[in-house]
Amino acid sequence: AQSVTQLGSHVSVSEGALVLLRCNYSSSVPPYLFWYVQYPNQGLQLLLKYTTGATLVKGINGFEAEFKKSETSFHLTKPSAHMSDAAEYFCAVRIEDQTGANNLFFGTGTRLTVIP
Amino acid sequence: KAGVTQTPRYLIKTRGQQVTLSCSPISGHRSVSWYQQTPGQGLQFLFEYFSETQRNKGNFPGRFSGRQFSNSRSEMNVSTLELGDSALYLCASSLYGDNSPLHFGNGTRLTVT
Repeated sequence: AQSVTQLGSHVSVSEGALVLLRCNYSSSVPPYLFWYVQYPNQGLQLLLKYTTGATLVKGINGFEAEFKKSETSFHLTKPSAHMSDAAEYFCAVRIEDQTGANNLFFGTGTRLTVIP
Repeated sequence: KAGVTQTPRYLIKTRGQQVTLSCSPISGHRSVSWYQQTPGQGLQFLFEYFSETQRNKGNFPGRFSGRQFSNSRSEMNVSTLELGDSALYLCASSLYGDNSPLHFGNGTRLTVT
């Protein structure tokens, strides 16, 4: 079975502090990994994605994530939090199953609060 | 380029009624997916349409159905509404629906009373 686990449904950081949002996946085949952000009353917006190649992926708004196959992780980081980063963040993994269908599985989300 | 447009933004219905939600994808995108988002269950995949054909389906009852038109616009229908259907319904489009990123609309918030 494939799944995505986001550790911590709520994370609080001070403005200027490091942001670390954790994501682990389970998959028997190489996955494609995504991070999305959702601001209040809006849909999801793509932050970054990993398909193949370089394992450190840079996204928008200063975020980056590193694919670590040995740890089955794809944690999202940002060196210095801004107030505008307060939102909900979703990790997602797309896996092709044996029928050839591409299924996208989302984690349950992590709500990031930035404290002034 | 215009983003994904979902209408209406808000809906209030009563149990037993049916509802139709609409989604206009980004121009040129051929894949449209629908998701249900609730506080308890998170984001759950409903179905995906590509070139007017349902290509992928999640684990929802038959009360949930959809279709896609030749211009790639999509509609989702829920019949015999239940209180548990109250949720934010998100539509997302992508070029081909494989590993191309999803572009989400702002959603339709459905409240069933």
